[in-house]
Amino acid sequence: GAVVSQHPSWVICKSGTSVKIECRSLDFQATTMFWYRQFPKQSLMLMATSNEGSKATYEQGVEKDKFLINHASLTLSTLTVTSAHPEDSSFYICSASSGLAGGENRPPRDTQYFGPGTRLTVL
Amino acid sequence: AQSVTQLGSHVSVSEGALVLLRCNYSSSVPPYLFWYVQYPNQGLQLLLKYTSAATLVKGINGFEAEFKKSETSFHLTKPSAHMSDAAEYFCAVRHNQGGKLIFGQGTELSVKP
Repeated sequence: GAVVSQHPSWVICKSGTSVKIECRSLDFQATTMFWYRQFPKQSLMLMATSNEGSKATYEQGVEKDKFLINHASLTLSTLTVTSAHPEDSSFYICSASSGLAGGENRPPRDTQYFGPGTRLTVL
Repeated sequence: AQSVTQLGSHVSVSEGALVLLRCNYSSSVPPYLFWYVQYPNQGLQLLLKYTSAATLVKGINGFEAEFKKSETSFHLTKPSAHMSDAAEYFCAVRHNQGGKLIFGQGTELSVKP
């Protein structure tokens, strides 16, 4: 249980184009999803926290208009990198957690489960 | 403010040897602590977590960690390393507001045959 998927697993795009990355919780309802960015050989940097049905909360220094986050349902959040540039090239990872108490077929709410990541390369 | 510090960006052990990865935390409230493992080009997999129950926590793949409040530590151990344990390991503390995770810098574990 507690499986999170991301699509695509990798993407190459031209500078100036927009790229959408999907994050899905496959077997549980995720009231909260998180988006991270990871540079090579570095730790994860939280970009934003997304709660279903409300606007995302962005971390300091993260451009809201550049990294658009939508959390329209309890199983899907999307990150759109708008007008991508080479410096946006990175590994993007999402995670999901349930806001409900843990139980049968429901992961504990204090734990984040991570997707496999999306490698974005902007040419 | 909450934070975690992982001592040693790279640890190398021989196959069969003890694995010890160090993590110290800073928190003004009782912390929720986590260890995650990341294999190359993959997401993070939860190894184990501490949520104020038993101080010795057992996780997957033979790993365990002990919460020591007096030392503000949550070190990860495994009695006998396998080649398949080679990966990046992250310690994290859950922020007391909003549930976001604050990660350490990561420790790369190498296992020599």
